[in-house]
Amino acid sequence: AQTVTQSQPEMSVQEAETVTLSCTYDTSESDYYLFWYKQPPSRQMILVIRQEAYKQQNATENRFSVNFQKAAKSFSLKISDSQLGDAAMYFCAYMEENSGGSNYKLTFGKGTLLTVNP
Amino acid sequence: DGGITQSPKYLFRKEGQNVTLSCEQNLNHDAMYWYRQDPGQGLRLIYYSQIVNDFQKGDIAEGYSVSREKKESFPLTVTSAQKNPTAFYLCASNPRYTPGGYTFGSGTRLTVV
Repeated sequence: AQTVTQSQPEMSVQEAETVTLSCTYDTSESDYYLFWYKQPPSRQMILVIRQEAYKQQNATENRFSVNFQKAAKSFSLKISDSQLGDAAMYFCAYMEENSGGSNYKLTFGKGTLLTVNP
Repeated sequence: DGGITQSPKYLFRKEGQNVTLSCEQNLNHDAMYWYRQDPGQGLRLIYYSQIVNDFQKGDIAEGYSVSREKKESFPLTVTSAQKNPTAFYLCASNPRYTPGGYTFGSGTRLTVV
């Protein structure tokens, strides 16, 4: 079974600074997807960024970018110019490629709680 | 507006009682999922369904049951056999052939009293 490991239970960053959240995963598959989700205090899950394993280029969404190292099975999230609204629990997630239909199961890490200090 | 509605937001249950959590979507999504969230545990998959009248167990299905009689609805029943049911429950859905296109509900907090 695939596993996702987030080794940092908590992180903190100063407003406007940059922070990197770590994620490693274990899989024997070559085609898969990786995600970072944000869960603010409202507990609503919000997709932050997505990476297809077959793409070598790292995904970027505004202030959020990833460092995808396929051989090392590493998928870190960098948040630049941190804002108070970035404070949340961040989950790394893995999804196996499924060409057969609509069944796409997400496997989540345990999360990293990010605090942003003013 | 399209989305997933979970109800109720908070639910209290006495020990030994079954309780059903509602999940309804108007997104015309094929697949639906139930996840359980505990502090420090991330989200763990309970059950999932790809089509009407079909569903599969996830990683922690013991003590739970589901049904999928309509495409829009995927209710989760927490039975008295679930030893530690107090948790936050999230429902999600995604359309066919769209990996990662999950839409999440806002969750139900279940507390056993």
